[in-house]
Amino acid sequence: AQTVTQSQPEMSVQEAETVTLSCTYDTSESDYYLFWYKQPPSRQMILVIRQEAYKQQNATENRFSVNFQKAAKSFSLKISDSQLGDAAMYFCAYRSAWGNQFYFGTGTSLTVIP
Amino acid sequence: GAVVSQHPSWVICKSGTSVKIECRSLDFQATTMFWYRQFPKQSLMLMATSNEGSKATYEQGVEKDKFLINHASLTLSTLTVTSAHPEDSSFYICSARVEQGNQPQHFGDGTRLSIL
Repeated sequence: AQTVTQSQPEMSVQEAETVTLSCTYDTSESDYYLFWYKQPPSRQMILVIRQEAYKQQNATENRFSVNFQKAAKSFSLKISDSQLGDAAMYFCAYRSAWGNQFYFGTGTSLTVIP
Repeated sequence: GAVVSQHPSWVICKSGTSVKIECRSLDFQATTMFWYRQFPKQSLMLMATSNEGSKATYEQGVEKDKFLINHASLTLSTLTVTSAHPEDSSFYICSARVEQGNQPQHFGDGTRLSIL
C-alpha cells in the first residue's frame, strides 16, 4: 500500500501571512493523483486542490497552490494571505490512476492567529 | 455537482442496539463507495470498500459481521453497526467518486455515533 506522510502535526500562521504544509508519499507507480482536503471543526471533508502526476505545472486554486516535486515524491500546499476560515485539519491524499482507493496522510492542524 | 449525502448526522443509542447509516450519491452514480472511521484529531481510517451488487471489501482488522455493508443500488450504500458497544462510538464518514479520470472523492458530512 502507498504511504502518505505529513510530518507537521500542527502549524500556525498569522492572518494574512503565507504558510506551507508538507506532504511526502511513497509509490512505485508513475501515474497517480494527489489531493489536499480540508476538514474544519464541522468535520466536513472539503477538497482544496488536486494535481495529476503527469502534469509538470503546479496546480493553483485562488490562494492555494502546490509545489509538486515528482522525483522527490513531495506535494506541499501553500496557503497565501491566510484567513481565519482557513483554520482546519488538512489532509494530503494519494490515489493511483488505476484504482479507486485513497490513501490519506495523518493530517496537519492549522491554526490562524488573528 | 457530485454531492454525497449521509444520514443521520448524529445518533445516540443504547449498547446492544444496531444502527444503520446511509450514504447516497445525489447527482451521480457510484459503483464504489467507501466507509471511513475517524477518531478525534486523527486521520480517516478506511474500513471497507462498498461495491454495488457484490460483497464489500473489508480492510484488515475490521469485523465484517460487526460492520455490515450493503450497496444495493448505484446511489446508495448502507453501513450497519450491529450490537453496538461504547467502543464503537466514533465519527463515520462515507465517500464516493465519479469514476472518471482525476475525479476526487466526495464526502458525506459524516455521522457522529455515540453508544451509551
